[in-house]
Amino acid sequence: NAGVMQNPRHLVRRRGQEARLRCSPMKGHSHVYWYRQLPEEGLKFMVYLQKENIIDESGMPKERFSAEFPKEGPSILRIQQVVRGDSAAYFCASSTGLGTYNEQFFGPGTRLTVL
Amino acid sequence: GQSLEQPSEVTAVEGAIVQINCTYQTSGFYGLSWYQQHDGGAPTFLSYNGLDGLEETGRFSSFLSRSDSYGYLLLQELQMKDSASYFCAVRNTGTASKLTFGTGTRLQVTL
Repeated sequence: NAGVMQNPRHLVRRRGQEARLRCSPMKGHSHVYWYRQLPEEGLKFMVYLQKENIIDESGMPKERFSAEFPKEGPSILRIQQVVRGDSAAYFCASSTGLGTYNEQFFGPGTRLTVL
Repeated sequence: GQSLEQPSEVTAVEGAIVQINCTYQTSGFYGLSWYQQHDGGAPTFLSYNGLDGLEETGRFSSFLSRSDSYGYLLLQELQMKDSASYFCAVRNTGTASKLTFGTGTRLQVTL
């Protein structure tokens, strides 16, 4: 059973360009979460999605950032007009949404570097 | 707001036991999780406490005291491969699926 897949693993963008990060959840998982991690810091929650629905986007910056999880295909985190401060590791996690704990399984992350 | 406090670094020798503490301030506490992350790697789930007490999983155990807003991760029989960062994370009742992470404790295991 393949784990959470993220691509690309590394992404380099120049200031002002767009970054698209993809996440394919584990098989059977319909809940996706995006987190951002700056160097030497913990992960910060960004957004929680189910198929075709944004459930909680309280951690998303108000501008330039958007996320979707379409009925078919991977979840996409989109960053428009990137700035140097967007350089970070972006992790996706998925879960079944079931059970008392509803454990989240993390992907390998996408490391974004903005030049 | 929410906050989680962990020591920034811990050093221990191979074969020893180490305890990593986590104190939290949050409203609507639901449970406390622990994750391990090696440099350049993804966070890996270690343990979860929803109720007070000790949960044991092999060499790793985790403890929670809801009344003290405190938990810890206990690692026994330390191995070199345990060198990594360890994060506590709180889950809240309001958004039961969102995790709020601490800043992490970097564990260095030496010979």
